[in-house]
Amino acid sequence: KNQVEQSPQSLIILEGKNCTLQCNYTVSPFSNLRWYKQDTGRGPVSLTIMTFSENTKSNGRYTATLDADTKQSSLHITASQLSDSASYICVVSLTGGGNKLTFGTGTQLKVEL
Amino acid sequence: TAGITQAPTSQILAAGRSMTLRCTQDMRHNAMYWYRQDLGLGLRLIHYSNTAGTTGKGEVPDGYSVSRANTDDFPLTLASAVPSQTSVYFCASSELAGGPNEQFFGPGTRLTVL
Repeated sequence: KNQVEQSPQSLIILEGKNCTLQCNYTVSPFSNLRWYKQDTGRGPVSLTIMTFSENTKSNGRYTATLDADTKQSSLHITASQLSDSASYICVVSLTGGGNKLTFGTGTQLKVEL
Repeated sequence: TAGITQAPTSQILAAGRSMTLRCTQDMRHNAMYWYRQDLGLGLRLIHYSNTAGTTGKGEVPDGYSVSRANTDDFPLTLASAVPSQTSVYFCASSELAGGPNEQFFGPGTRLTVL
């Protein structure tokens, strides 16, 4: 069973609309949670990194939230653009885990005209 | 700056052959990583290096070896490739290992083992 589960698996929205992607994790003890954007055929690019003490972090039109009590995170995309079409990956890091990152399988987002 | 470069971009390899995937970063990062990405699975760590001269095993190290002779380069070697090593391989680096240090990823190498 994945320790980092993302939903939905895929999503299609119209340009200009908002959307929210979900991430539930069971990784423990938790250190930090990251959201990455991965364009097709490219490497992942970091959007946000939140420690357990942070409950929200923004990067332009991307806003991530974290509830460490319920072990849930969300990534909200505002006023979507065609260039937002990508896979969005939730990644969790263990306390004292050093290099150990646990990756979700991603939500594939497609923004259409 | 170039960030992280990987070579080759893609490769088709016969089973049983050896191959080295190259990775170079110009950010003077201490830590470097190799991941593989397979359809339906999250990225999985193969090997890592916290600093030049040291390496460690990740989640799926079998069949792979690495070396870290200097800060910039972190090659991944498949000694005798098998079809299950068909995957997309990503190299990454971070200023320091662990903690909320951002990992920067290269563009990937798509490897097909036949």
